[in-house]
Amino acid sequence: QVQLEQSGAELKKPGASVKVSCKTSGYASSTYGVAWVRQAPGQGLEWMGWISAHNGKTNFAQKFQGRVTMTTDASTNTVYMEMRNLTSDDTGVYFCARAGEYYDDSGPGDFWGQGTPVTVSS
Amino acid sequence: DIQMTQSPSTLSVSVGDRVTITCRASQSVSTYLAWFQQKPGKAPRLLIFKASNLQNGVPSRFSGSGSGTEFTLTINSLQPDDLATYYCQQYNQNVYTFGQGTKLEIK
Repeated sequence: QVQLEQSGAELKKPGASVKVSCKTSGYASSTYGVAWVRQAPGQGLEWMGWISAHNGKTNFAQKFQGRVTMTTDASTNTVYMEMRNLTSDDTGVYFCARAGEYYDDSGPGDFWGQGTPVTVSS
Repeated sequence: DIQMTQSPSTLSVSVGDRVTITCRASQSVSTYLAWFQQKPGKAPRLLIFKASNLQNGVPSRFSGSGSGTEFTLTINSLQPDDLATYYCQQYNQNVYTFGQGTKLEIK
């Protein structure tokens, strides 16, 4: 069955970086993309960006451009999201989701990871 | 970015009710609209894609309609398991924005 397994909770200081992993299984990962969505405490969902698991092509929401990197490791079917220069506003839960085709980032997430809580605090 | 506005933000409901949630887009998104259900501490669950298509495994009491800028999610005969927050998302134009959510509460 399709599964996305994310790495564990993170506690970071302001200015630090965080790297969250999302290991996919149960489907041909190269034929889909993976989107990242975050949720601040008590708030709604925010689409951050997307990566093609086929060729590493990325698209980002403008607010994350330059501060977020998404990469993929085809040998382990794992996608990574790294965010730099963290502030308290980045505290929240980060989700990965299978979304779109390998060539097109447009598509809703049909399978989701369990979420990775990230806390930014001094 | 396209703004997605849901109404109401909170809805008091009873088991067995027919529930309707509205989602409006600031510009046309054609039918590139999805609905999600989220329970506390859990990941969102895709219910509806392309405005009116039921995702595999989703009960048939859920339905979606609309196109352009106005969309609705309807839950027929609400069940206790349906108490959750519901989000719409447009995926017509990057950034693929979500509505602010509609929380269903027991009356």
